[in-house]
Order: sequence, then C-alpha cells, then structure tokens
Amino acid sequence: DAGITQSPRHKVTETGTPVTLRCHQTENHRYMYWYRQDPGHGLRLIHYSYGVKDTDKGEVSDGYSVSRSKTEDFLLTLESATSSQTSVYFCAISNRDSSDTQYFGPGTRLTVL
Amino acid sequence: GENVEQHPSTLSVQEGDSAVIKCTYSDSASNYFPWYKQELGKRPQLIIDIRSNVGEKKDQRIAVTLNKTAKHFSLHITETQPEDSAVYFCAASSGGSQGNLIFGKGTKLSVKP
Repeated sequence: DAGITQSPRHKVTETGTPVTLRCHQTENHRYMYWYRQDPGHGLRLIHYSYGVKDTDKGEVSDGYSVSRSKTEDFLLTLESATSSQTSVYFCAISNRDSSDTQYFGPGTRLTVL
Repeated sequence: GENVEQHPSTLSVQEGDSAVIKCTYSDSASNYFPWYKQELGKRPQLIIDIRSNVGEKKDQRIAVTLNKTAKHFSLHITETQPEDSAVYFCAASSGGSQGNLIFGKGTKLSVKP
C-alpha cells in the first residue's frame, strides 16, 4: 500500500459538533482527494487539492471544508456534523491529475448520532 | 458533468467461469478509465486501467476493453476464483486540473466454489 494514513480510523460524534479528519502521505504526491462512500452511491468526491493551499470542490462539497498547509497533510472538516454525513471517508493521492493512478488510504468510519 | 453507469449491481458466478462488468460514460472528453477492487472493510485498490488511445488491455486473468465510439468499457475476469469475490468499481476521468475521477456505483461479485 502507498504511504497513506488516515486518522482517526473510527469516530462517533453528535449532531452539531465539529469534526476534523486527517490524511497524511509520505509519497510526496501533488494531488490529494477526499471521497465519501455510501451504500448504493459508490465513491463520491468531496474536495481535492492540487498543491499546498490549492483546493477545489468536488460533487458533494456542501457542509465540508478542507485545508492543505503542507504537501503531506490534507484535512477535511465538518463544521457542524449532521446525520447525513455518517459515512466512510477515504483519502486518495495521485502524482499528477485525475488521469493518474489514485491510491487510497485505509478509510475513516464516521458515525453522527 | 461526467456520469458513469455500471451494470450489473450484483453478479454471481461459479468458480472457473468468466465474469463481465460493463460501464458507460457520458463525457466524450474522458480519456482515463481505471477499475478498482474493494474487499469487505478494505480500501479500493487499482487492478487495471486503460487510456483512450488503447482498445484493450490485459493482465493475466483480467482484461479491459474500451469502445470510445459507444462510450462504454468493460472488465473481463476469466477463470474466476473465490478470492475474486469483492466489489468492483469502474471510473472515468477527462484529466486536467478540473477533470475529476467519477465512479460507477459498483458491482458486487460473488464467486461460488
């Protein structure tokens, strides 16, 4: 597996609380992505980054924000978690753009009660 | 934007038989088509990919075909084994800084011994 870690791996939180998920890579890849995976929906892109401080929205970005202050770290923040954000979150990295192989992290299972 | 449809959603085969999963895409600018395998509780992992300048690619028991005119591509697994049981996702991307990787909803393949 590529050098990608996610923390925490599991989290249970309550509606309305802020949550931050971290993705850390040791591959020095330029692009980083956050996806959510829900039954019947496959993988859907939330936000992505194409460099330090360079980020853009994906198809399901409402309710999420991201930050990338270092090449190796990409943070996903849920400012006020809702039950609809209960999901498995995957981080991915690629050396070039989305036409390059994406390697996935181990995932974070988030439950919002 | 790009839309990727994947069929069937579930597929059950006997060990040793072949399995075929089909995907269609909508954006004629898409030029990169990866396939991912995801075992239960694990991260998605790339098993094969194809680019638009190639019509077919093979890697041992796995092959992918691409028909750009019809905008569809398929995954073929021959001589299936129980360890092939997993969820398979197709995806498509037009590349570039704005071209995101769009995933199909997945096919759950069960290989019965």
